[in-house]
Amino acid sequence: GESVGLHLPTLSVQEGDNSIINCAYSNSASDYFIWYKQESGKGPQFIIDIRSNMDKRQGQRVTVLLNKTVKHLSLQIAATQPGDSAVYFCAERTSGSRLTFGEGTQLTVNP
Amino acid sequence: EPEVTQTPSHQVTQMGQEVILRCVPISNHLYFYWYRQILGQKVEFLVSFYNNEISEKSEIFDDQFSVERPDGSNFTLKIRSTKLEDSAMYFCASDLRTGLYNEQFFGPGTRLTVL
Repeated sequence: GESVGLHLPTLSVQEGDNSIINCAYSNSASDYFIWYKQESGKGPQFIIDIRSNMDKRQGQRVTVLLNKTVKHLSLQIAATQPGDSAVYFCAERTSGSRLTFGEGTQLTVNP
Repeated sequence: EPEVTQTPSHQVTQMGQEVILRCVPISNHLYFYWYRQILGQKVEFLVSFYNNEISEKSEIFDDQFSVERPDGSNFTLKIRSTKLEDSAMYFCASDLRTGLYNEQFFGPGTRLTVL
């Protein structure tokens, strides 16, 4: 399953499928990007980050892709599990220390 | 694993009252942040703090807000005279910043309800 930009706030997939969550960021000067997972009632939890001088980074079951040409970031989750159900936010850092968060995508994994 | 802690988990207050939200960042971290999240919306940056002073703040962080590190472990956010629109989840975060890129670790948040 795949979400399209920030206009599709929900993504529903079957357990075991791969998930792709997309994010359009706003500032071409941003040099660092992070994906956070937020479960209900909890704070954002770091998933994976990527620097602007990279276009791909892999973690455990997750891959982040960065396309600076179109200012697009995606998070791929392999073999999605029920525990992956959460809201996923991309965040960019432009200067200094502040993170600017995207709107978020609610991922629901159906057993 | 070290974590950021926040108290209280839920704060209910009357409009016009002062509130203080408390955070204990990860012990060896040097940079501290407050963010807020209005229900159903995205997380918004409020302020960053380093070396006992504000290093950056957003347009949300007006004169009604202040931050303080009163001792070696706590980091507080004070809202002087709360408004209804201050109702939100408030998250504290910290990072070590050993290099150019460091993840910010977030606490579980304080839910502030202004009546």
